Amino acid sequence: GNSVTQMEGPVTLSEEAFLTINCTYTATGYPSLFWYVQYPGEGLQLLLKATKADDKGSNKGFEATYRKETTSFHLEKGSVQVSDSAVYFCALSEGYGNNRLAFGKGNQVVVIP
Amino acid sequence: NAGVTQTPKFRVLKTGQSMTLLCAQDMNHEYMYWYRQDPGMGLRLIHYSVGEGTTAKGEVPDGYNVSRLKKQNFLLGLESAAPSQTSVYFCASSDDGDPIKLYGYTFGSGTRLTVV
Repeated sequence: GNSVTQMEGPVTLSEEAFLTINCTYTATGYPSLFWYVQYPGEGLQLLLKATKADDKGSNKGFEATYRKETTSFHLEKGSVQVSDSAVYFCALSEGYGNNRLAFGKGNQVVVIP
Repeated sequence: NAGVTQTPKFRVLKTGQSMTLLCAQDMNHEYMYWYRQDPGMGLRLIHYSVGEGTTAKGEVPDGYNVSRLKKQNFLLGLESAAPSQTSVYFCASSDDGDPIKLYGYTFGSGTRLTVV
């Protein structure tokens, strides 16, 4: 079945550092790909999305490119802030019929001043 | 504000007790979902609904029941709570068809349930 794999473990980095969170997927067909962010004590919010190969999603300085050849959708930000501290989830849409999303396990990001 | 509202926000249950979590959305979305979030496990789908009067099982349905009697509400029931059901529960909704590609899901803020 469809699945999403995120890199293991939390990510701790200093303010203004470069952030990369890896996400790879397994899917049949042509899924849409998403990154969601969860701030402490809140629900998940859509951060960015891409619906077809080579699309680049971007929002709030974050970017991710849908790479069909490597089945990846890595999240990047050039200069993180303390306010970016959150949990980040990669997800894919399984398509029509139920719109189910398959989520990765999430990565805790901690940005230190 | 439009969105997904979950009640209650916190609850402590004793083993064997029952309870119902309520999810309400005011966006006229067709699809609704219940997830549980546990450390190191990410989000796992419990049950979902593709429209009023419909329900379907997700990855981890055992010990839970759901009902969608009205389009805007999706109820999650715990028949006999167990400590393994201690978790944070999230409800989400989405429109059908192409909008899922554009907007993804709208999530509620969660219910933190502890079963002792």
